[in-house]
Amino acid sequence: DGGITQSPKYLFRKEGQNVTLSCEQNLNHDAMYWYRQDPGQGLRLIYYSQIVNDFQKGDIAEGYSVSREKKESFPLTVTSAQKNPTAFYLCASSIETGTTYEQYFGPGTRLTVT
Amino acid sequence: ILNVEQSPQSLHVQEGDSTNFTCSFPSSNFYALHWYRWETAKSPEALFVMTLNGDEKKKGRISATLNTKEGYSYLYIKGSQPEDSATYLCASPSRNQGGKLIFGQGTELSVKP
Repeated sequence: DGGITQSPKYLFRKEGQNVTLSCEQNLNHDAMYWYRQDPGQGLRLIYYSQIVNDFQKGDIAEGYSVSREKKESFPLTVTSAQKNPTAFYLCASSIETGTTYEQYFGPGTRLTVT
Repeated sequence: ILNVEQSPQSLHVQEGDSTNFTCSFPSSNFYALHWYRWETAKSPEALFVMTLNGDEKKKGRISATLNTKEGYSYLYIKGSQPEDSATYLCASPSRNQGGKLIFGQGTELSVKP
């Protein structure tokens, strides 16, 4: 089955620790994205990558880092510099359809930092 | 900066009611408008992709319209069912930025039996 996997589904960390969220896709999509969702807010873009070895900051990149060494993988590290890391994190990938880009989402990781 | 707004933020209806909510976006430089349905603990699921002014799309009891000149899209649900309970997101891609989608804050729909 083609799709996007994120692991783990739930993650708990203590404040001050870095944590890396996994995102893998086997859809052969060039572009990948990380979003964050907080209660009462929409999805906010953290980082995105249009091709391997290249990525750009989104709207709320501070305190996060990413890498894109392989087309299939786009891990997100939540560093200790992120002031409010507890949130739901969604990974997505997209393909250009000619008229727009269609995004497909993973199941998400809920991160709780105490 | 592209700004996408949705209203209302939440909606509570009874089973069988029809309902609709709004997505507004800047009308200049319009590219496309996406609607997603997002159930708790699941991935957002694409409902519609709309690109043309006056476009109307339908999937079962759910339909959507698009007005690019005035910058809004409506999502309609006819005869709401409890399984329609979800957050409905709209998003517009940022032109020339590799498919980067700007999302509205979502409308959370709750349908009571």
